[in-house]
Amino acid sequence: DVKVTQSSRYLVKRTGEKVFLECVQDMDHENMFWYRQDPGLGLRLIYFSYDVKMKEKGDIPEGYSVSREKKERFSLILESASTNQTSMYLCASRGLYGYTFGSGTRLTVV
Amino acid sequence: ILNVEQSPQSLHVQEGDSTNFTCSFPSSNFYALHWYRWETAKSPEALFVMTLNGDEKKKGRISATLNTKEGYSYLYIKGSQPEDSATYLCAVNSGGSNYKLTFGKGTLLTVNP
Repeated sequence: DVKVTQSSRYLVKRTGEKVFLECVQDMDHENMFWYRQDPGLGLRLIYFSYDVKMKEKGDIPEGYSVSREKKERFSLILESASTNQTSMYLCASRGLYGYTFGSGTRLTVV
Repeated sequence: ILNVEQSPQSLHVQEGDSTNFTCSFPSSNFYALHWYRWETAKSPEALFVMTLNGDEKKKGRISATLNTKEGYSYLYIKGSQPEDSATYLCAVNSGGSNYKLTFGKGTLLTVNP
């Protein structure tokens, strides 16, 4: 089974901190994605990567950056966390048979 | 930004009821439609991927249909069980992108025993 692992289930960070959310997949997928999920808004795409060192902005990239140095790892970076970035963050990878999601990181910025 | 709409937003049914939800999307530049089931504290689980107009897929008591010309898909659950309680998400690839997914807001289903 494809596995997508997000490093933390829950995180609490302070306003202004630099935050790293890590995602690792074990099936050699080229495409990886970061979404956030907010009540009433559904899943919204922040960034995606279609290969190592390649990235593309999604629908809501402001305040975020990403890093893809190795094929299996896709990191989401909050350069200076703000309270409006409190959310559930979901990572996904895409293979031949579809998308596989991680179980999410619930980030609270205080 | 592609607009994917799901209705209803939430639904309460009794055990044994059959139910259905709708996903609507722009029919131009359509590539594929995905249905996911998302239970609290778990990862979204893929149910179906459909690409062709008229596609019908079935998995146990759950089935789905696709109309790409008019831009909608239906998800049906026959004889709902409490374990079917979850958020059902619809997502679409379009615009020539076969990897970027745009999600609807989901339908929250609660099945009462």
